[in-house]
Amino acid sequence: EDQVTQSPEALRLQEGESSSLNCSYTVSGLRGLFWYRQDPGKGPEFLFTLYSAGEEKEKERLKATLTKKESFLHITAPKPEDSATYLCAVGTSGAGSYQLTFGKGTKLSVIP
Amino acid sequence: EAGVAQSPRYKIIEKRQSVAFWCNPISGHATLYWYQQILGQGPKLLIQFQNNGVVDDSQLPKDRFSAERLKGVDSTLKIQPAKLEDSAVYLCASSLDRAGTQYFGPGTRLLVL
Repeated sequence: EDQVTQSPEALRLQEGESSSLNCSYTVSGLRGLFWYRQDPGKGPEFLFTLYSAGEEKEKERLKATLTKKESFLHITAPKPEDSATYLCAVGTSGAGSYQLTFGKGTKLSVIP
Repeated sequence: EAGVAQSPRYKIIEKRQSVAFWCNPISGHATLYWYQQILGQGPKLLIQFQNNGVVDDSQLPKDRFSAERLKGVDSTLKIQPAKLEDSAVYLCASSLDRAGTQYFGPGTRLLVL
C-alpha cells in the first residue's frame, strides 16, 4: 500500500527564519511528487511537481527537492503570508487510472 | 481562466438525510475527481472520471455514495443516507488528462448532525 508521511505535523517560525518540511514516501512506481498549499476554508493550491531524484523547483521563497525516498520543501526567509498547510502527494498509476495519495500535511505558522 | 467551481459551499443535514454536491471543472479538462477531506487529514480519492466514464471508484462507499458526470462536463456527488462520519469537506478537482496536474475547487463543507 502506498504511504506518504509528512513531518513535522506543525511548525511555528519567526518571520525570516528559514526551515524545511519533509515528505517521505513508500510507493510502487512513483509517477510524480506533488506539493500543494491549502489555506483555511479553501481547496489545495498547486505548487510544484517533481518527477525524478535530484530534481529541484523554485517559486519565490519556496524550493522543492526530491530524492528516491523523500522530498523537502525549503522555505527561505518566510513571511506571515506563507502561513498555511502544505500537502505532499505521490502520483501512481495502475489499472488504467492515475491516483494521488496525500499525506496529512504540515501546518506552518509564520509569526511577525 | 476560471477555476473549478463547486456548490453549495456549506451544508448542514441530519443523519439519514440525503445531500448532493455539484462540480463544474475547468473548461477542457477531461478528467474529474471527487475527494473527501476529513479534518486534520489529507484528501482521499473517492471517484475519478475520464470524460463521462468512471475510471476508478474503488474507494467510493457504494452503499451510500453515488456520482455521475453527464455529458463529460459537470458532475454531481450524492450521499444517501448520510452518516455522522460523512462530516468532511468534499473537494472536486480536474486535470487535462489522467496524469495531468490536478486543480482543486474550494470544496463543500458538510456537517451531519
